[in-house]
Amino acid sequence: GAVVSQHPSWVICKSGTSVKIECRSLDFQATTMFWYRQFPKQSLMLMATSNEGSKATYEQGVEKDKFLINHASLTLSTLTVTSAHPEDSSFYICSARGTGLRNQPQHFGDGTRLSIL
Amino acid sequence: GNSVTQMEGPVTLSEEAFLTINCTYTATGYPSLFWYVQYPGEGLQLLLKATKADDKGSNKGFEATYRKETTSFHLEKGSVQVSDSAVYFCALNFGNEKLTFGTGTRLTIIP
Repeated sequence: GAVVSQHPSWVICKSGTSVKIECRSLDFQATTMFWYRQFPKQSLMLMATSNEGSKATYEQGVEKDKFLINHASLTLSTLTVTSAHPEDSSFYICSARGTGLRNQPQHFGDGTRLSIL
Repeated sequence: GNSVTQMEGPVTLSEEAFLTINCTYTATGYPSLFWYVQYPGEGLQLLLKATKADDKGSNKGFEATYRKETTSFHLEKGSVQVSDSAVYFCALNFGNEKLTFGTGTRLTIIP
């Protein structure tokens, strides 16, 4: 149980393109989803927290207009990297936390490797 | 603020060796503690967790004990396998808040 599916797993595109990454909880309802960015051989950096039906909360230094997050349902959140540039190339990982009890663990997707040429 | 300090890697061991990866934390109060594992090219998988002092989390032969007195949550395994090669992250949170991660420790097991 508690499977999180992230799509696509790998995307290569030209500079200036907008890229959408989907994060789905397959067998549970996720009130909250988190988006992380990971640079090579580094830890995960939280970009934003999204709650279903409300605006995402962005971490300091993360551009809201650059990284658009939509959490339209209890099973789907999307991250759109707008007008992507080479410096946006990275590994993006989402996680989802179920509804209900406190201390629910986060379940992670397999990540999306984004390469901007 | 909250922080997690992890043993720096990389760590290289021979198969069947004993593994310890140190993790200490700084937090106000008593957080939940986690170990996540990341295999190459993949996202993170929850390995084990502990939610209160003296709890022991265990999974797949790995163990970690929540030590309040030393604010530690060291990961151990008695006999590692090649398939354990991965990056291991220690993390904490309070309730349903965001996770705070350590920097990760890359483990390589040699046959």
